[in-house]
Amino acid sequence: GQQLNQSPQSMFIQEGEDVSMNCTSSSIFNTWLWYKQDPGEGPVLLIALYKAGELTSNGRLTAQFGITRKDSFLNISASIPSDVGIYFCAGRRGGNQFYFGTGTSLTVIP
Amino acid sequence: NAGVTQTPKFRILKIGQSMTLQCTQDMNHNYMYWYRQDPGMGLKLIYYSVGAGITDKGEVPNGYNVSRSTTEDFPLRLELAAPSQTSVYFCASSGTSGRAHEQYFGPGTRLTVT
Repeated sequence: GQQLNQSPQSMFIQEGEDVSMNCTSSSIFNTWLWYKQDPGEGPVLLIALYKAGELTSNGRLTAQFGITRKDSFLNISASIPSDVGIYFCAGRRGGNQFYFGTGTSLTVIP
Repeated sequence: NAGVTQTPKFRILKIGQSMTLQCTQDMNHNYMYWYRQDPGMGLKLIYYSVGAGITDKGEVPNGYNVSRSTTEDFPLRLELAAPSQTSVYFCASSGTSGRAHEQYFGPGTRLTVT
């Protein structure tokens, strides 16, 4: 199946720091989604991207659709304890199937 | 407006048993999906449906069956449970207008097969 490489695998940061993570693919995607998953819960949609180069914000979160269409980036500014969780990227080449990355686990140290 | 609901939350099955995981959405979404998530991994698509009466295989369909008789419900059937099906199962739905591919997930069903 399609492989999405997400990095870093885990991050430990101090409260107030900025966070960057990315997702890369060997294939071109038409849509990128970013999700956050808390323990024992389903993923919650954070940001959706539909065009190459698109930059979209949701509060302290900003995501970008890479211009090569093979990658996407998520930044979190001024992290707070409730940002803790696992962040997943998901990409769609066409049709109705999304492929998910393996996740970035974020720990925020107060 | 409950969104996507799944039952049960937890289940333990013996090898060879069968069960149905239930999924219901109240957002009038046409698209529905079943994923499985293994520990430390991302989600893998099992089956999906683009509307009542239409289903299609995803990346890992073997050992599962689905049906879609109504817009709201999309049950997932395991006929002969195997240890390899121990996982957390998530149902999701998305609309067909506007930002159609934004999937909304249920809380998951944690299944253990022993």
